[in-house]
Formats: sequence, structure tokens, C-alpha cells
Amino acid sequence: QSALTQPRSVSGSPGQSVTISCTGTSSDVGANNYVSWYQHHPGKAPQLILYYVTERPSGVPDRFSGSKSGNTASLTISGLQADDEADYFCYSYAGTYTVFGGGTKLTVL
Amino acid sequence: QVQLQESGPALVRPSQTLFLTCTVSGYSISSGFYWGWVRQSPGQGLEWIATIYHKGSTYYNPSLKTRVTIFLDKTNNQISLTLESVTAADTAIYYCVRPRIASAGHYFDLWGQGTSVTVSS
Repeated sequence: QSALTQPRSVSGSPGQSVTISCTGTSSDVGANNYVSWYQHHPGKAPQLILYYVTERPSGVPDRFSGSKSGNTASLTISGLQADDEADYFCYSYAGTYTVFGGGTKLTVL
Repeated sequence: QVQLQESGPALVRPSQTLFLTCTVSGYSISSGFYWGWVRQSPGQGLEWIATIYHKGSTYYNPSLKTRVTIFLDKTNNQISLTLESVTAADTAIYYCVRPRIASAGHYFDLWGQGTSVTVSS
């Protein structure tokens, strides 16, 4: 199974919103709501920020939101802050296999 | 809070066996949850490797199953992983993770910082 497709990089200014897409297939992203998103500051432990497409773990601000349409899931970060600058990757559990996205580097200008 | 900390060799020779350990703090692995490993390599990106349930059931990525073993050291509250016959393709950052709900993980709610392993002669 191929990795989920994410843009290599996105950028935005403080206070703006950015959206990161995660495109798979009808067998993974499109098949169920088992899509999750992770924030990774290099050198630190990745952090779960969304699961089941839209659910936020305790402690994750509501500036982080998720959606899905067809085979594409999206992470939207609103009110960008400097600390949001990090790598973001998605993950899909398809039952018979699992697949991660290639990762997106978010730059806060 | 629960924390995961990986440890292992930074360099492994081709054909040797890689041994990694994840020390869990703040929670007894005997009490519950799945525990596992994920790796990130330059060539393959992120890849789930294996999971073990606290009661001992094990689950492996089919692509690695013949070379991988995951096991619990309940005395030291550690999750260990061995990977046999390593090649350059096994060069990666190895992360200890806590998969939730399903063995291969509907999602991973805890990650360690990762340990970098290079396979080279």
C-alpha cells in the first residue's frame, strides 16, 4: 500500500488558518473514520492531535480541527501560532493494513 | 503522566540483530493497553512494526513478520523489539508507541522521542 499523500510543505502567517490534506484510497481513508493526525516537533515525541477524523484528545486546543471528504482527510489549524511550526502527518487504519502519510512541514512566517 | 523512552544501539552491522527497548514510566504495562513500535525511514516513511497486548498477544506487520519479535519485560516495565538480519533498509528512527483500540492501532495516543538506528558496515 502506498503512503497517504500529503503536501510536502505549507505555510501561513500568525493568526491565519492553514489546511493540510491527506489523500488515500477508498480502501483506507475513504473506507472508515480511522484517520488520525500527529504533530511532530523534531527531536521530540510526536503528539496525537486528532483521531477518528475530528476528535481531539484532552489538552489539544480547538484551533485544530479535522474533516474528511471521500478519500481525502484534512487538518485545519486556525489562529496560527509560532509554536505550531512543526511536521504533521496523518495515519489511516484500514483493518487489513495501516498506512501513514509522508508528512507536511508547516512553516509559520 | 505516562512516558515512553526508547533505547538501543545507534549503529548496527548488516546481517546482525537489532535489539531495542522501550521503558515506560508512569504506568505499569502489566495493567493494560497495547504497546508497540513504529519506525520512520528515509525510504519507506513511517511504518507500523509490531504490537503486543498487555496479556501477551502479539501482532506484526506482515512485511516484517519473519524478522521481528516483540515482547514484554514486566519486571522492568519495558517493551522490547528484536529485528533480525538487518539491512540498510532498516536504517530508521524507531518509536515506541501506544496503539489504541486495535492491535495495529486505530490511532497512537502516546509516542516516545525515538531512537535513531543506522545499519552500516
